[in-house]
Amino acid sequence: DSGVTQTPKHLITATGQRVTLRCSPRSGDLSVYWYQQSLDQGLQFLIQYYNGEERAKGNILERFSAQQFPDLHSELNLSSLELGDSALYFCASSPTARQNGNTIYFGEGSWLTVV
Amino acid sequence: TQLLEQSPQFLSIQEGENLTVYCNSSSVFSSLQWYRQEPGEGPVLLVTVVTGGEVKKLKRLTFQFGDARKDSSLHITAAQPGDTGLYLCAGVGRDDKIIFGKGTRLHILP
Repeated sequence: DSGVTQTPKHLITATGQRVTLRCSPRSGDLSVYWYQQSLDQGLQFLIQYYNGEERAKGNILERFSAQQFPDLHSELNLSSLELGDSALYFCASSPTARQNGNTIYFGEGSWLTVV
Repeated sequence: TQLLEQSPQFLSIQEGENLTVYCNSSSVFSSLQWYRQEPGEGPVLLVTVVTGGEVKKLKRLTFQFGDARKDSSLHITAAQPGDTGLYLCAGVGRDDKIIFGKGTRLHILP
């Protein structure tokens, strides 16, 4: 158990819909990361928040957005869903802002299936 | 764009055999990490290598960072069924972003 909690574990929704994935980081961790994992693309970095502020952006689509709240939990919002958005979405956390030299702890992921 | 290529993509070997998987790039990384991911779980960090030429051992696993800090290898001695999983390498670039390879899916047959 990494200490990172993600909900829901599984989600099935229709194309065009919007979903919200939720993440609670490890106690004391200020950074939250979101990743998307698919068979063809592998693990892709989407976005990082540190202490409530966006710190780094990766391959995140404009249809997707995220935020980190004052209690440090984070949400990833996926809208206008397409079949290709079906993937495993991971949240991860770490104590500090920098990725280099840091251990990043991953949650168990949220499986999203778009039908 | 920084890319990490992992090879082989799939590897299935008998228990007790040795194996090496590779992680290659044309880019230089500040550090390189190896993760193992099991079905239904998130990746778990195994090791971080920082210095060119660095070798780290974790029981039967030996990790090496290339001299130029562009590539890395993971060698497993006397593989066991518990080693089965997806092995991911991840490089941290100068922009402090982590780039993951697509992984090597390893299956150890009892």
